[in-house]
Amino acid sequence: DAGVIQSPRHEVTEMGQEVTLRCKPISGHDYLFWYRQTMMRGLELLIYFNNNVPIDDSGMPEDRFSAKMPNASFSTLKIQPSEPRDSAVYFCASSSQLAEAYEQYFGPGTRLTVT
Amino acid sequence: LAKTTQPISMDSYEGQEVNITCSHNNIATNDYITWYQQFPSQGPRFIIQGYKTKVTNEVASLFIPADRKSSTLSLPRVSLSDTAVYYCLVGGYNQGGKLIFGQGTELSVKP
Repeated sequence: DAGVIQSPRHEVTEMGQEVTLRCKPISGHDYLFWYRQTMMRGLELLIYFNNNVPIDDSGMPEDRFSAKMPNASFSTLKIQPSEPRDSAVYFCASSSQLAEAYEQYFGPGTRLTVT
Repeated sequence: LAKTTQPISMDSYEGQEVNITCSHNNIATNDYITWYQQFPSQGPRFIIQGYKTKVTNEVASLFIPADRKSSTLSLPRVSLSDTAVYYCLVGGYNQGGKLIFGQGTELSVKP
């Protein structure tokens, strides 16, 4: 398996623009997570899905952020409008509740820079 | 979810054994203890997980005392490539998959 795939790997945009980050989880995994990492705040859980249904979005910073999972193999995290403080590395991770060990597999991340 | 506390940073030399201790005083009965490793510019990677006593795999050992209020990750004979941030997390299968990452321990291995 190719692992968790994220695109784009790098995104540079101007303040006010819409940004869409994409994630393809590992096939067969039933959980998908979106995280954000900054030097100041560390690694923060934004939202996670189970069987394509959002379970907990309490980490989503504000209404400018939204996430969807239209099917088991694809999820998006959208920021509209983007602001400089959204600059961070965004990670997607997936896991399977059927796995022997409770392990999340992380993607390579998307480095977002908002100018 | 139980809060975890671990040292912010540690230094070591190649070939030494490194032990990183994490405290989790409020761990719940059904919580597991999991450690992740993160290299710069990469996502975290699962290292080891345990519930009680000792767990060992090809990468590390995890020691958990009977009261489970702390745990120790042991890395045998570290090399320069073990320089990374190590996160201790506590959670359970019935938590719906939610894990909260703390600040982690930045391990620096020197030659």
